[in-house]
Parts: sequence; structure tokens; C-alpha cells
Amino acid sequence: QKEVEQDPGPLSVPEGAIVSLNCTYSNSAFQYFMWYRQYSRKGPELLMYTYSSGNKEDGRFTAQVDKSSKYISLFIRDSQPSDSATYLCAMRGTGTASKLTFGTGTRLQVTL
Amino acid sequence: DTGVSQDPRHKITKRGQNVTFRCDPISEHNRLYWYRQTLGQGPEFLTYFQNEAQLEKSRLLSNRFSAERPKGSFSTLEIQRTEQGDSAMYLCASSGAGTDTQYFGPGTRLTVL
Repeated sequence: QKEVEQDPGPLSVPEGAIVSLNCTYSNSAFQYFMWYRQYSRKGPELLMYTYSSGNKEDGRFTAQVDKSSKYISLFIRDSQPSDSATYLCAMRGTGTASKLTFGTGTRLQVTL
Repeated sequence: DTGVSQDPRHKITKRGQNVTFRCDPISEHNRLYWYRQTLGQGPEFLTYFQNEAQLEKSRLLSNRFSAERPKGSFSTLEIQRTEQGDSAMYLCASSGAGTDTQYFGPGTRLTVL
């Protein structure tokens, strides 16, 4: 079993929809959680970085962490065609330097 | 552009050849990471440097792979005697002191024929 599980999709939604992306994890040592967006043949781009359980909002994006359930989510409001990309969850343990463990990524397609 | 840069962006090579990739981190970032990403998968950690010291290596990094970061600035990743299974996107990331927010470069896409 992988340490981080993420549904690979693809997920297709109409423009303006609310998108929910999720990851589960098994390693209790993970304390920091990130969401990256990756366009085709590009490097991952950091979207959200969270530590505490609860919600963190940034514009149309909300990251949610539930450490008790080992479950994280990313919500995208008012989705746009430009949001079409692969969304990767990533997490790491404590310490000032630690490798990231990624999910497989969920491919999102926002249609007109 | 002050982001992470990688060179080359694409490399096609024949099986058995050696290849070398370069990563230039964000200036003043003392930590540098290499990851490998295959089609349909998330990036997988390969190795990590703090300044010029290589502090961690993944089991994925076979003895055909070597990474260096002379003078704690740019880094190189060399693959000797390439195999078709080495075909992947090789990603470099860097982070600064006091934080471990990792910023990724555009990657080097390797195709081994």
C-alpha cells in the first residue's frame, strides 16, 4: 500500500463548478501538507501549504486537513478552463528539511 | 527569471550512453532536491543536498546515478549506462533556510531509446 493515495481521475467538470480533490495517507509522521498544480510537461507549482488541521483559504482555493482521519482536500470554487491540470498532493514530516511524498496526482479537466 | 532552472529541458539518448543534467536553484536557497516522475505518477524523491553536502539518497538512486553540488550552488545529476527504465521527467527543487517550501524547476524530460 502506498503511503499517499490519490484518485488519478480524470475528473471532468463544467466551468463554474466547485471541484473537490482528495488524498488519504497512512504515515502519522506527516505533519505538513501541500497541493501542487502541474500543467502538462511542466514542473509542479505550489498552490497551498498547510500544517494545522482545519481550513486554509487563498482566493478560489481552500485546503482542508483532517489529521485524525489522515485525509486532506483541496476545493476549487468557480472553476475555470485554465484550472485544467494535474493536482498533486504532497506531504512531509517535521524538521527543517524533509523529502516530499507525493500522491499520484488527479487530472482535472474544466470544460466550457 | 529568479526561479529554479534546469538544463536541458529535453534529452534523447540511446541505451548505454551517459547523460548529465544541471539544476540552478533559486539564489540563496541552501537546500536542493532531485525527484523523478514517470508518466501518470507523482514525483519520487531521489536525493537531497544542504549546501554542498549530500545528506540523503533514496534506494531508487542506483549506483548508476550520481549527484553533485560543488560549492553549494548548482547541482548536476549524472546517469551512467542509461536503461529504458530511466526514461522519466527529472525534477529539481530548492528551498531556503528556515523554511522547507520546495519550489520546482520545469524538469528535464529524458527519453532512452
